[in-house]
Amino acid sequence: QKEVEQDPGPLSVPEGAIVSLNCTYSNSAFQYFMWYRQYSRKGPELLMYTYSSGNKEDGRFTAQVDKSSKYISLFIRDSQPSDSATYLCAMKRAADYDMRFGAGTRLTVKP
Amino acid sequence: ETGVTQSPTHLIKTRGQQVTLRCSSQSGHNTVSWYQQALGQGPQFIFQYYREEENGRGNFPPRFSGLQFPNYSSELNVNALELDDSALYLCASSSWGGSQPQHFGDGTRLSIL
Repeated sequence: QKEVEQDPGPLSVPEGAIVSLNCTYSNSAFQYFMWYRQYSRKGPELLMYTYSSGNKEDGRFTAQVDKSSKYISLFIRDSQPSDSATYLCAMKRAADYDMRFGAGTRLTVKP
Repeated sequence: ETGVTQSPTHLIKTRGQQVTLRCSSQSGHNTVSWYQQALGQGPQFIFQYYREEENGRGNFPPRFSGLQFPNYSSELNVNALELDDSALYLCASSSWGGSQPQHFGDGTRLSIL
């Protein structure tokens, strides 16, 4: 079993739809949870960074962390074609040097 | 604010050769981490540098080595290249500390023939 599981998709939605992206994990010691967006031929761009459980909102993006279920989500409201990218979840313990990534979910938003 | 920059953007090598990849950290950041991203996969941690010393290492063999310079820039060196080393190599910089977010450059795509 991988430490971080993420459905690779692909996921295709119409413009304006609400998108839900999810990851599960096995290590209950993870404390920091990140979502990165990666466009083709580019590096990952940090979208959301949260500590422990709860919700965080930034514009059209909402990140949720449920540590009891070992489950994190990213919601994108009013999705746009420019949101078409691969979305990577990542997480780490405070004592770790590195982040552990999911495999990424490829999202396409159709006009 | 200058972001993380990496060079070169693309490199083609043959098996057995050696390669050096370079990274300039984001202004204000003193810690650099290197990741390998195979096609269709998430990045995997290679190692991290802080104060010019290797600070932590993932499951990569010793032929992967690195350096950090006083201006916080960094190099990744890979010796005896293998076909499986073909990947996108990403550099991420951050401030020191486990709670600090890491910001990535656009990577170097390495192809081994």
